[in-house]
Amino acid sequence: ETGVTQTPRHLVMGMTNKKSLKCEQHLGHNAMYWYKQSAKKPLELMFVYSLEERVENNSVPSRFSPECPNSSHLFLHLHTLQPEDSALYLCASSLGQGRSGYTFGSGTRLTVV
Amino acid sequence: GNSVTQMEGPVTLSEEAFLTINCTYTATGYPSLFWYVQYPGEGLQLLLKATKADDKGSNKGFEATYRKETTSFHLEKGSVQVSDSAVFFCALSHSGGYQKVTFGIGTKLQVIP
Repeated sequence: ETGVTQTPRHLVMGMTNKKSLKCEQHLGHNAMYWYKQSAKKPLELMFVYSLEERVENNSVPSRFSPECPNSSHLFLHLHTLQPEDSALYLCASSLGQGRSGYTFGSGTRLTVV
Repeated sequence: GNSVTQMEGPVTLSEEAFLTINCTYTATGYPSLFWYVQYPGEGLQLLLKATKADDKGSNKGFEATYRKETTSFHLEKGSVQVSDSAVFFCALSHSGGYQKVTFGIGTKLQVIP
């Protein structure tokens, strides 16, 4: 248990489905992040929320839609995904801008069929 | 821009061998430096960090020294175990925004009995 909990751990979805990934932290952190981890590629930052407001969106396709209802919860809503979106999606949190490091969840392994 | 360079691996060692994973970085100013570890099927965990030149971070027998003159933060362990098999990520965090954390591509370590 890392302090950041992600559900589900595994998800298989069709290209026409709609699903959501959930992330939860009770560490008192005030920033939360979504990262995409694909084989043979560096970690890709997707979204950053600070104090529940979206701070950064790194040109992510609109089929990924984040939601941060409060400082402890972060969602990633998925719809009409493509097979190349199959990856490990990692949530992380930090205090401030992360100069002391991030705490990551265990990730959701997403497979788009 | 900021960048982190590390070998991709895999690095294969026998148990009790000495480990070095090289990490060099490019950044302006004085970034914080990190090593994260990812065990199979898990998210990233912060392993150690250093926030200023000549600092040494250490944890679980791993250590790394912030060398500003060579812009390096090499990870070392004197005697590896099979349980150390994982992917190791070097990262830097620079002030100036929430997306100022740059990760290396990760180095896979395999320790064989």
